[in-house]
Amino acid sequence: KNEVEQSPQNLTAQEGEFITINCSYSVGISALHWLQQHPGGGIVSLFMLSSGKKKHGRLIATINIQEKHSSLHITASHPRDSAVYICAVNFGNEKLTFGTGTRLTIIP
Amino acid sequence: EAGVTQSPTHLIKTRGQQVTLRCSPISGHTSVYWYQQALGLGLQFLLWYDEGEERNRGNFPPRFSGRQFPNYSSELNVNALELEDSALYLCASSILAGGGSEQYFGPGTRLTVT
Repeated sequence: KNEVEQSPQNLTAQEGEFITINCSYSVGISALHWLQQHPGGGIVSLFMLSSGKKKHGRLIATINIQEKHSSLHITASHPRDSAVYICAVNFGNEKLTFGTGTRLTIIP
Repeated sequence: EAGVTQSPTHLIKTRGQQVTLRCSPISGHTSVYWYQQALGLGLQFLLWYDEGEERNRGNFPPRFSGRQFPNYSSELNVNALELEDSALYLCASSILAGGGSEQYFGPGTRLTVT
Protein backbone atom coordinates (compact mmCIF):
# COMPACT_ATOMS: atom_id res chain seq x y z
CA LYS A 1 0.00 0.00 0.00
CA ASN A 2 1.29 3.46 -0.87
CA GLU A 3 1.69 5.31 2.42
CA VAL A 4 3.38 8.48 3.59
CA GLU A 5 4.19 9.13 7.24
CA GLN A 6 5.42 12.36 8.74
CA SER A 7 6.90 13.11 12.11
CA PRO A 8 6.50 14.86 14.37
CA GLN A 9 2.84 15.86 14.08
CA ASN A 10 3.46 19.00 16.11
CA LEU A 11 6.70 20.81 16.83
CA THR A 12 7.25 23.88 18.96
CA ALA A 13 10.69 25.48 19.08
CA GLN A 14 12.39 28.70 20.09
CA GLU A 15 13.44 31.21 17.51
CA GLY A 16 16.87 30.39 16.14
CA GLU A 17 16.66 26.64 16.67
CA PHE A 18 17.49 24.11 13.96
CA ILE A 19 14.33 22.30 12.86
CA THR A 20 14.01 18.84 11.33
CA ILE A 21 10.80 17.35 9.94
CA ASN A 22 10.81 13.78 8.70
CA CYS A 23 8.90 11.92 6.01
CA SER A 24 8.93 8.19 5.34
CA TYR A 25 7.21 6.35 2.54
CA SER A 26 6.39 2.75 1.89
CA VAL A 27 7.52 1.93 -1.64
CA GLY A 28 9.62 3.34 -4.43
CA ILE A 29 8.76 6.80 -5.69
CA SER A 30 9.40 8.98 -8.69
CA ALA A 31 9.38 12.29 -6.78
CA LEU A 32 8.80 13.77 -3.33
CA HIS A 33 7.48 17.24 -2.65
CA TRP A 34 7.69 19.43 0.44
CA LEU A 35 4.85 21.93 0.78
CA GLN A 36 4.18 24.75 3.24
CA GLN A 37 0.66 25.70 4.26
CA HIS A 38 0.02 28.90 6.19
CA PRO A 39 -3.08 29.64 8.28
CA GLY A 40 -5.85 30.49 5.85
CA GLY A 41 -4.93 27.59 3.63
CA GLY A 42 -2.53 28.90 1.01
CA ILE A 43 0.02 26.30 -0.07
CA VAL A 44 3.52 26.98 -1.37
CA SER A 45 5.68 24.35 -3.00
CA LEU A 46 9.08 24.40 -1.29
CA PHE A 47 10.96 21.58 -2.97
CA MET A 48 10.59 18.71 -5.37
CA LEU A 49 13.19 15.96 -4.97
CA SER A 50 13.96 12.67 -6.62
CA SER A 51 17.46 12.27 -5.18
CA GLY A 52 20.11 14.01 -3.11
CA LYS A 53 19.69 17.38 -1.51
CA LYS A 54 18.30 20.81 -2.33
CA LYS A 55 18.78 24.12 -0.54
CA HIS A 56 16.84 27.34 -0.74
CA GLY A 57 17.75 30.06 1.72
CA ARG A 58 17.39 28.63 5.22
CA LEU A 59 15.56 25.55 4.01
CA ILE A 60 17.27 22.29 3.13
CA ALA A 61 15.59 19.12 1.87
CA THR A 62 17.28 15.75 1.62
CA ILE A 63 16.11 12.39 0.39
CA ASN A 64 17.54 8.90 0.86
CA ILE A 65 16.03 6.67 -1.79
CA GLN A 66 17.38 3.43 -0.29
CA GLU A 67 15.93 4.19 3.14
CA LYS A 68 12.71 5.68 1.68
CA HIS A 69 13.10 8.75 3.84
CA SER A 70 13.25 12.49 3.40
CA SER A 71 13.95 15.33 5.81
CA LEU A 72 13.18 19.02 5.71
CA HIS A 73 15.52 21.20 7.75
CA ILE A 74 15.11 24.83 8.71
CA THR A 75 18.18 26.66 9.98
CA ALA A 76 17.96 29.75 12.23
CA SER A 77 14.20 29.32 12.57
CA HIS A 78 12.01 32.41 12.73
CA PRO A 79 8.40 32.95 13.85
CA ARG A 80 7.41 33.51 10.21
CA ASP A 81 8.38 29.87 9.57
CA SER A 82 5.36 28.86 11.66
CA ALA A 83 3.14 26.84 9.33
CA VAL A 84 2.11 23.30 8.48
CA TYR A 85 4.71 21.44 6.44
CA ILE A 86 3.42 18.67 4.24
CA CYS A 87 5.30 15.89 2.52
CA ALA A 88 3.74 14.59 -0.71
CA VAL A 89 4.90 11.66 -2.77
CA ASN A 90 4.39 10.51 -6.33
CA PHE A 91 4.43 6.73 -6.29
CA GLY A 92 4.62 6.65 -10.06
CA ASN A 93 0.85 6.67 -10.54
CA GLU A 94 0.83 10.33 -11.53
CA LYS A 95 -1.01 11.59 -8.45
CA LEU A 96 0.32 12.84 -5.14
CA THR A 97 -0.19 11.04 -1.84
CA PHE A 98 0.11 13.39 1.12
CA GLY A 99 1.40 13.01 4.63
CA THR A 100 -0.73 14.35 7.46
CA GLY A 101 1.51 17.36 7.93
CA THR A 102 3.70 18.75 10.71
CA ARG A 103 2.45 21.83 12.52
CA LEU A 104 5.49 23.97 13.34
CA THR A 105 5.32 26.83 15.84
CA ILE A 106 8.35 29.04 16.37
CA ILE A 107 8.25 31.09 19.56
CA PRO A 108 10.03 34.46 19.58
CA GLU B 1 3.92 36.12 -13.87
CA ALA B 2 0.44 35.55 -12.48
CA GLY B 3 0.02 32.53 -10.24
CA VAL B 4 -2.76 29.99 -10.14
CA THR B 5 -6.08 31.69 -9.50
CA GLN B 6 -9.26 30.20 -8.11
CA SER B 7 -12.78 31.48 -7.77
CA PRO B 8 -14.73 32.01 -5.69
CA THR B 9 -12.65 32.29 -2.51
CA HIS B 10 -15.52 31.37 -0.23
CA LEU B 11 -18.85 29.71 -0.90
CA ILE B 12 -21.79 28.64 1.25
CA LYS B 13 -24.22 26.09 -0.15
CA THR B 14 -27.07 24.01 1.16
CA ARG B 15 -27.07 20.23 1.23
CA GLY B 16 -28.34 18.82 -2.05
CA GLN B 17 -27.28 21.80 -4.14
CA GLN B 18 -24.67 21.80 -6.86
CA VAL B 19 -21.49 23.88 -6.97
CA THR B 20 -18.90 24.82 -9.58
CA LEU B 21 -15.40 25.88 -8.65
CA ARG B 22 -13.01 27.44 -11.13
CA CYS B 23 -9.26 27.40 -11.61
CA SER B 24 -6.93 29.21 -13.98
CA PRO B 25 -3.45 27.72 -14.22
CA ILE B 26 -0.21 29.56 -14.68
CA SER B 27 0.30 30.57 -18.29
CA GLY B 28 2.00 27.74 -20.18
CA HIS B 29 0.93 25.05 -17.71
CA THR B 30 -1.17 22.31 -19.26
CA SER B 31 -1.85 20.11 -16.24
CA VAL B 32 -4.39 21.02 -13.57
CA TYR B 33 -4.91 19.10 -10.34
CA TRP B 34 -7.74 19.35 -7.83
CA TYR B 35 -7.35 18.48 -4.16
CA GLN B 36 -9.72 18.41 -1.19
CA GLN B 37 -8.69 19.30 2.34
CA ALA B 38 -11.56 18.60 4.71
CA LEU B 39 -11.43 20.06 8.21
CA GLY B 40 -9.04 18.08 10.35
CA LEU B 41 -8.01 15.86 7.47
CA GLY B 42 -5.04 15.89 5.17
CA LEU B 43 -4.97 16.78 1.52
CA GLN B 44 -6.54 14.26 -0.79
CA PHE B 45 -6.11 14.03 -4.54
CA LEU B 46 -9.37 14.54 -6.43
CA LEU B 47 -8.75 14.91 -10.17
CA TRP B 48 -6.01 15.50 -12.69
CA TYR B 49 -6.56 17.06 -16.11
CA ASP B 50 -3.99 17.38 -18.84
CA GLU B 51 -4.49 18.67 -22.37
CA GLY B 52 -8.25 18.68 -21.88
CA GLU B 53 -8.50 15.07 -20.75
CA GLU B 54 -9.15 13.58 -17.32
CA ARG B 55 -5.99 11.56 -16.63
CA ASN B 56 -6.62 10.27 -13.13
CA ARG B 57 -9.08 10.62 -10.30
CA GLY B 58 -8.91 9.93 -6.60
CA ASN B 59 -11.23 7.86 -4.47
CA PHE B 60 -14.24 10.16 -4.71
CA PRO B 61 -17.80 9.43 -5.84
CA PRO B 62 -18.96 10.28 -9.37
CA ARG B 63 -20.81 13.37 -8.15
CA PHE B 64 -17.36 14.98 -8.14
CA SER B 65 -16.52 15.79 -11.74
CA GLY B 66 -14.83 18.42 -13.76
CA ARG B 67 -13.43 19.44 -17.06
CA GLN B 68 -10.55 21.31 -18.61
CA PHE B 69 -11.09 23.88 -21.31
CA PRO B 70 -8.96 24.56 -24.42
CA ASN B 71 -7.26 27.44 -22.56
CA TYR B 72 -6.31 24.91 -19.83
CA SER B 73 -8.53 26.47 -17.19
CA SER B 74 -10.60 23.98 -15.27
CA GLU B 75 -13.87 23.57 -13.41
CA LEU B 76 -14.68 21.25 -10.54
CA ASN B 77 -18.34 20.37 -10.18
CA VAL B 78 -19.87 18.78 -7.14
CA ASN B 79 -23.47 17.60 -7.36
CA ALA B 80 -25.86 16.70 -4.57
CA LEU B 81 -23.72 18.38 -1.92
CA GLU B 82 -23.34 16.63 1.40
CA LEU B 83 -22.25 18.13 4.71
CA GLU B 84 -18.93 16.28 4.54
CA ASP B 85 -18.10 18.08 1.29
CA SER B 86 -17.31 21.14 3.40
CA ALA B 87 -13.63 21.63 2.76
CA LEU B 88 -10.90 23.74 1.23
CA TYR B 89 -10.61 22.87 -2.45
CA LEU B 90 -7.19 23.52 -3.89
CA CYS B 91 -6.18 23.66 -7.50
CA ALA B 92 -2.61 23.29 -8.70
CA SER B 93 -0.97 23.46 -12.09
CA SER B 94 2.25 22.14 -13.54
CA ILE B 95 4.11 22.64 -16.77
CA LEU B 96 4.64 18.92 -17.22
CA ALA B 97 2.16 16.15 -16.78
CA GLY B 98 2.09 13.96 -13.70
CA GLY B 99 3.20 14.08 -10.09
CA GLY B 100 6.86 14.22 -11.03
CA SER B 101 6.55 17.86 -12.01
CA GLU B 102 6.56 20.72 -9.51
CA GLN B 103 3.04 21.87 -8.79
CA TYR B 104 2.02 25.44 -8.07
CA PHE B 105 -1.01 25.85 -5.86
CA GLY B 106 -3.80 28.38 -5.96
CA PRO B 107 -5.23 30.05 -2.85
CA GLY B 108 -8.15 27.64 -2.64
CA THR B 109 -11.92 27.86 -2.43
CA ARG B 110 -13.43 27.29 0.98
CA LEU B 111 -16.78 25.55 0.59
CA THR B 112 -19.21 25.33 3.47
CA VAL B 113 -22.23 23.07 3.12
CA THR B 114 -25.06 23.67 5.60
